Amino acid sequence: AQKITQTQPGMFVQEKEAVTLDCTYDTSDPSYGLFWYKQPSSGEMIFLIYQGSYDQQNATEGRYSLNFQKARKSANLVISASQLGDSAMYFCAMREFNQGGKLIFGQGTELSVKP
Amino acid sequence: DAGVIQSPRHEVTEMGQEVTLRCKPISGHNSLFWYRQTMMRGLELLIYFNNNVPIDDSGMPEDRFSAKMPNASFSTLKIQPSEPRDSAVYFCASSLGGRETQYFGPGTRLLVL
Repeated sequence: AQKITQTQPGMFVQEKEAVTLDCTYDTSDPSYGLFWYKQPSSGEMIFLIYQGSYDQQNATEGRYSLNFQKARKSANLVISASQLGDSAMYFCAMREFNQGGKLIFGQGTELSVKP
Repeated sequence: DAGVIQSPRHEVTEMGQEVTLRCKPISGHNSLFWYRQTMMRGLELLIYFNNNVPIDDSGMPEDRFSAKMPNASFSTLKIQPSEPRDSAVYFCASSLGGRETQYFGPGTRLLVL
């Protein structure tokens, strides 16, 4: 079974609008962390935001927020006020604490921001 | 502050040759990870070290792959002999502890002809 599922291979959003990228996960470990990374066309992996399984509040980092719904096992990334520079691949990843430091990645969503 | 440094950034080699990829983690980080990214398999962990000791190498594809971390500021990933199916982007990442956020290097794009 897929541990991390990103169901949107590609998405478009108009500049200055908000967009939600979906991520669902599967784990039986009560302690885990969820991450989002951005990979622009240049290829580097840029850390965006982190949510711990015991965190009471949804994580936010500037224009990025994580809509964490634990019962539904979803950790969607919300980007507000999209910019042209947000066009990139976005990866959701999970670390199960009982499995050590290993990150398990989803297949990614390619976001295109239109002017 | 310097991030994770990887070299070379690009490598083109012929099948059967030895390839060595290098990584310098962020200073002070004690966990280091090697990942491989391909179109078919996405991003997958090859091996990770904690305090220079290999903790999980279950992702290493086969005996042709080996990784070392002789000290806290340097790691290598070696492929010998290389094969065309090894063509991929290889990322090194480091973190302050195995359970903290991992910061990635720019990657090495490897092409084996």
